[in-house]
Amino acid sequence: DVKVTQSSRYLVKRTGEKVFLECVQDMDHENMFWYRQDPGLGLRLIYFSYDVKMKEKGDIPEGYSVSREKKERFSLILESASTNQTSMYLCASSTWIAEAFFGQGTRLTVV
Amino acid sequence: KNEVEQSPQNLTAQEGEFITINCSYSVGISALHWLQQHPGGGIVSLFMLSSGKKKHGRLIATINIQEKHSSLHITASHPRDSAVYICAVPGAGGGADGLTFGKGTHLIIQP
Repeated sequence: DVKVTQSSRYLVKRTGEKVFLECVQDMDHENMFWYRQDPGLGLRLIYFSYDVKMKEKGDIPEGYSVSREKKERFSLILESASTNQTSMYLCASSTWIAEAFFGQGTRLTVV
Repeated sequence: KNEVEQSPQNLTAQEGEFITINCSYSVGISALHWLQQHPGGGIVSLFMLSSGKKKHGRLIATINIQEKHSSLHITASHPRDSAVYICAVPGAGGGADGLTFGKGTHLIIQP
């Protein structure tokens, strides 16, 4: 079974902190994604990557950056966390034009 | 960008009822995804389909490419089917550039 693992289920951070959300997949997938999910807005794409060291902005990249130094790992970085970044964050991976596999999600609260 | 509409937003039914959730999208696609999200956040892929019909146990998904419409059916519904059901379509990159999601249908099956 494909496994996508996010490093934390719950995080509480203070405004202004630098926050790292880590995601690891074990199926050698080329594509990895970070989404955030908010009530009434659904899932929205923050960043994606189709190869090591490659990254592309999604629909809502402001306030975020990403890193993909190894194929299996895709990190989401909040350079200076703000309260409006309180959300559920979901990582996903896939091969080309194929089923997507999701992590369990990280519920981030910024206080 | 594809617009994805789901209906209904909320659905409460009695155990054993036949359930239908609908999804429509605005731009032609290569495939459509149906996803399930239980409380706690993790998302599981139920189906990826590009034509016709697929069946897994009590779940059936259909798609009409010409009408840009898909339905998810649950036969003999059970309380464990209670979850949020989300349809999603790939971007112009066939999914390599992420998915666009409907806002989800919150299904509650009462015993």
